[in-house]
Amino acid sequence: DTAVSQTPKYLVTQMGNDKSIKCEQNLGHDTMYWYKQDSKKFLKIMFSYNNKELIINETVPNRFSPKSPDKAHLNLHINSLELGDSAVYFCASSPYIPPNVLTFGAGSRLTVL
Amino acid sequence: SQQGEEDPQALSIQEGENATMNCSYKTSINNLQWYRQNSGRGLVHLILIRSNEREKHSGRLRVTLDTSKKSSSLLITASRAADTASYFCATDAEYNNNDMRFGAGTRLTVKP
Repeated sequence: DTAVSQTPKYLVTQMGNDKSIKCEQNLGHDTMYWYKQDSKKFLKIMFSYNNKELIINETVPNRFSPKSPDKAHLNLHINSLELGDSAVYFCASSPYIPPNVLTFGAGSRLTVL
Repeated sequence: SQQGEEDPQALSIQEGENATMNCSYKTSINNLQWYRQNSGRGLVHLILIRSNEREKHSGRLRVTLDTSKKSSSLLITASRAADTASYFCATDAEYNNNDMRFGAGTRLTVKP
């Protein structure tokens, strides 16, 4: 069983469209994250949720809206996609109790044309 | 903002040689972790060192931490072609251990 699973793995879409990426973890972790990895491999934190509550919200355009229906799921919805949104988006989860070791999903590669 | 910075950005060595990667960070931390990313895959946790530890070993991995210099190093001994990957350091924020920040990574190539 995949511990942290993301769908879709690949997403190609036109500028201006709205798209969602879904993430689910079966590890029983309390905390989930979205990270963005750009073409230069910088991995930047976007959001973090603990037990459905938003705890980290980095300077991310408000076109990006995370949603956590329960602590096992964290979805990312992106409105009005722009070329600069093209990246690999990683979901991760961790137990809330320190130390905070992250388990990552395989990534979702978003290409905006 | 990024917390850690790895150097070198890229490293190419022969199988059997040792590989050393460095990481510097900016703020006080509770712990520092190293992760590995194979091409096209997610990151995988390798090793964690706490702020009150100076050195840690795990198999062929050796991590050091110097909190006075805000730096860490990852040594992979007797490297193998399968070690080819990108290696990232990650630090938490002293005030919020859920705030995990990564550097840009070191791309390691081990030639057979």
